[in-house]
Amino acid sequence: ETGVTQTPRHLVMGMTNKKSLKCEQHLGHNAMYWYKQSAKKPLELMFVYNFKEQTENNSVPSRFSPECPNSSHLFLHLHTLQPEDSALYLCASSQGGQGGHEQYFGPGTRLTVT
Amino acid sequence: AQSVSQHNHHVILSEAASLELGCNYSYGGTVNLFWYVQYPGQHLQLLLKYFSGDPLVKGIKGFEAEFIKSKFSFNLRKPSVQWSDTAEYFCAVNDGNNRLAFGKGNQVVVIP
Repeated sequence: ETGVTQTPRHLVMGMTNKKSLKCEQHLGHNAMYWYKQSAKKPLELMFVYNFKEQTENNSVPSRFSPECPNSSHLFLHLHTLQPEDSALYLCASSQGGQGGHEQYFGPGTRLTVT
Repeated sequence: AQSVSQHNHHVILSEAASLELGCNYSYGGTVNLFWYVQYPGQHLQLLLKYFSGDPLVKGIKGFEAEFIKSKFSFNLRKPSVQWSDTAEYFCAVNDGNNRLAFGKGNQVVVIP
């Protein structure tokens, strides 16, 4: 256990569905991240939140919508996804601010879009 | 933007063999360097990190990595691997902000 939990662990959804991924960190960190992990590709940073403010949107399509209500919780709202969006979605947290702190990862949500 | 290169995506070796995984990055300024490991069915976890000081860094489970600034490299080593080291290994780099750039990973299989 890293102190970062993600739910659900597995999700199958159709292209017209709307679903949300949830991440919670119990480490007292101030920065949270969403990554996409696809086979044979590097981890892709999607979004960064620092002290609840979004500081990075790495050219992610609008069908992915993040929400960070507080420093401990992060959501990724999904709608009208495409089959190529099937991947492992990882949440991470770190101390935040500047300084390049190490990131702690959750177990991921394995998403399949049919 | 940072780019991170890891070569030899698939590595197969026998127990007790030595392991070295290469990592090269592109950023020319001050960097923080990490190796993460992902065991089968488990989450990504930190193996070791370099921020400053001694360029030879010791991590968990007998791993070490050496930062060579002139070569923009941060190679991971273990003198004698075990079956339990079967995992995927990721090198990651950041330039002091909250953005980590990852390599594609090395899939390592250790045969008993």
